[in-house]
Amino acid sequence: DAGVIQSPRHEVTEMGQEVTLRCKPISGHNSLFWYRQTMMRGLELLIYFNNNVPIDDSGMPEDRFSAKMPNASFSTLKIQPSEPRDSAVYFCASSFQAGGYEQYFGPGTRLTVT
Amino acid sequence: GQSLEQPSEVTAVEGAIVQINCTYQTSGFYGLSWYQQHDGGAPTFLSYNALDGLEETGRFSSFLSRSDSYGYLLLQELQMKDSASYFCAVRDRGYQKVTFGIGTKLQVIP
Repeated sequence: DAGVIQSPRHEVTEMGQEVTLRCKPISGHNSLFWYRQTMMRGLELLIYFNNNVPIDDSGMPEDRFSAKMPNASFSTLKIQPSEPRDSAVYFCASSFQAGGYEQYFGPGTRLTVT
Repeated sequence: GQSLEQPSEVTAVEGAIVQINCTYQTSGFYGLSWYQQHDGGAPTFLSYNALDGLEETGRFSSFLSRSDSYGYLLLQELQMKDSASYFCAVRDRGYQKVTFGIGTKLQVIP
């Protein structure tokens, strides 16, 4: 199994630009999670999906952030417009349990907004 | 809501044993997970406890006491490669999701 796949691995963009992060979960996993990790705030859950349906998006910081899961094998996290404070590592994780006590993380996308 | 507390840093000697504690507060506890993350890497799942007691997996063990809202990760025969951050994460029955603690940075020294 290839594990969770994320792209791009690194993204450098200018403030105000749109950023789209992509994730392919492990086949057969029905829960998908988007996290943001910074030194100051640690690992924050942004949103999670179960069977492609958003269950909890209370961690999405503001309307500039949106996430979709059009099918069981693909999800996107979009930031529009991006700001310097969005700079962080964004992880996607998947799990075969609802709620996901055993999650498999992708390698992450390191986002830098200048 | 949920909250977790764990020490921010721990230092231990190679070959020794170290215990990383985690206390939690949650409205509907379901289970406690542990993850390891090396610098620059992604978190990887180590263990999960839903019931009281000790779960052993090789050099790593995890313990849970539901009555004390407390758990720990025990690492034996420490190796230099165990230097990493360790996160506890609580699964909340009500929220049906997992919340991570701030992580404990373990440094193993020769």
